[in-house]
Order: sequence, then C-alpha cells, then structure tokens
Amino acid sequence: EIVLTQSPATLSLSPGERATLSCRASQSVSSYLAWYQQKPGQAPRLLMYDAFNRATGIPARFSGSGSGTDFTLTISSLEPEDFAVYYCQQRKSWPITFGQGTRLEIK
Amino acid sequence: EVQLVESGGGLVQPGGSLRLSCAASRFTFRSYAMGWVRQAPGKGLEWVSAITGSGDNTYYADSVKGRLTISRDNSKNTLYLQMDSLRDGDTAVYFCAKQMFDSGDGYKYYFDYWGQGTLVTVSS
Repeated sequence: EIVLTQSPATLSLSPGERATLSCRASQSVSSYLAWYQQKPGQAPRLLMYDAFNRATGIPARFSGSGSGTDFTLTISSLEPEDFAVYYCQQRKSWPITFGQGTRLEIK
Repeated sequence: EVQLVESGGGLVQPGGSLRLSCAASRFTFRSYAMGWVRQAPGKGLEWVSAITGSGDNTYYADSVKGRLTISRDNSKNTLYLQMDSLRDGDTAVYFCAKQMFDSGDGYKYYFDYWGQGTLVTVSS
C-alpha cells in the first residue's frame, strides 16, 4: 500500500498570502496524484488531478507540481473561501490511498 | 449537473449488517466506475471500494475486504454497498463518488462528483 504523508498538519496564514502544501508518497506514484478540498459538513471537491491539471471550474490561483514521491499544492493568494482541509490521493496502484490532510486555517 | 444521493445509513449493532444505496442521475451511469469513500468523525478520508462501469471488476481496502461488498445496478442507475460483520471502526460518513473522465486522456480513478454522504454508526 502506498502511504501518502501530508505536511504540515496545520497551516496558519492570512488572506492574500501564499500557501504551500506538501504530499509525500512512500513510493513513486509517477504523476498520478490528485488534490481535494473539503469544507466542514461538505463533500470533498476535486481541485487538481495528475499532479498539475486543474479540475473543471477551479480558479487559476490553485496550482500543483511534482512527480515521483514529492508533490506540492500552491495557492498563490489566499481567498477567504480557501480556508479548509486539503487531501492528496494517489491512483498509481490499488488500494487507492489518501493523505491524512492539511488544515489551512486563518491566522 | 451530476447528482449522487446516498441513503441507507443509520445505527447498527456490532456484527450487524446494513446496505447503502447511491442513486445517480444526469450522467451515463454505466460508463463510469464508482467508488465509496468514508470519513470517521473528525478524521480524514479513507477510500473503501470501487467498481468498474460494467460491474465486472471490484476493488477493496484491506480494512473492509470480506465484510463489505460493492455492487451496482446499471438499469436503476444505483450503486450499493452491502456492509456485513460491522465493527465500531466502521462508524463514518460514507460518500459515493463518480470516477472522473478527462477529455484528453480518458477515465481516471479520481472522483469528480460526490454525494452528500450518509452516516453509519456502529454501536451497542
């Protein structure tokens, strides 16, 4: 099973700042990694897929990078609605696995 | 827009059974793999199971293998999760989710639409 480790667990930033979230895989997942955003009481929303492709309707301030074992989700300038929990997910091999999440909170 | 509506959650005793349903609409259901993802209270996301569009192939997390069974009825546009031998650790919100399709690259096992979730509580 591929283990995904996200860091930091919590990130405290202010609106307008840049956010950098990390996801590290226990073995290579090539570029087969996605990012999701989840707000309290809501289902997750797909943000990025295959490391750097934005899903439909996702604003350009979200970008993804990385390959192999190290991946980054960057939010260039935080909007109030971006404060949420973010998860990475790999599809390289079964079982599908998620990271444990990074909580992005308002400083 | 795609709609996924789960039902069937509730309170069940350890060792008991439950069947979850997910009614899908506004997309060609049989063309897409589907999955179940759960979230224990206050915890992160855990993938549970997936099934191909035809239903011919199924996949499970080790934690549920042999106890939970995914299936689908393409004539009814409905996804199911039969849950047997339930344990305390199965307590979670269960989401059904639709596989994504990328116009340039085909089907991928990411999930682009999710239901609102149904809560399963395993407790005596």
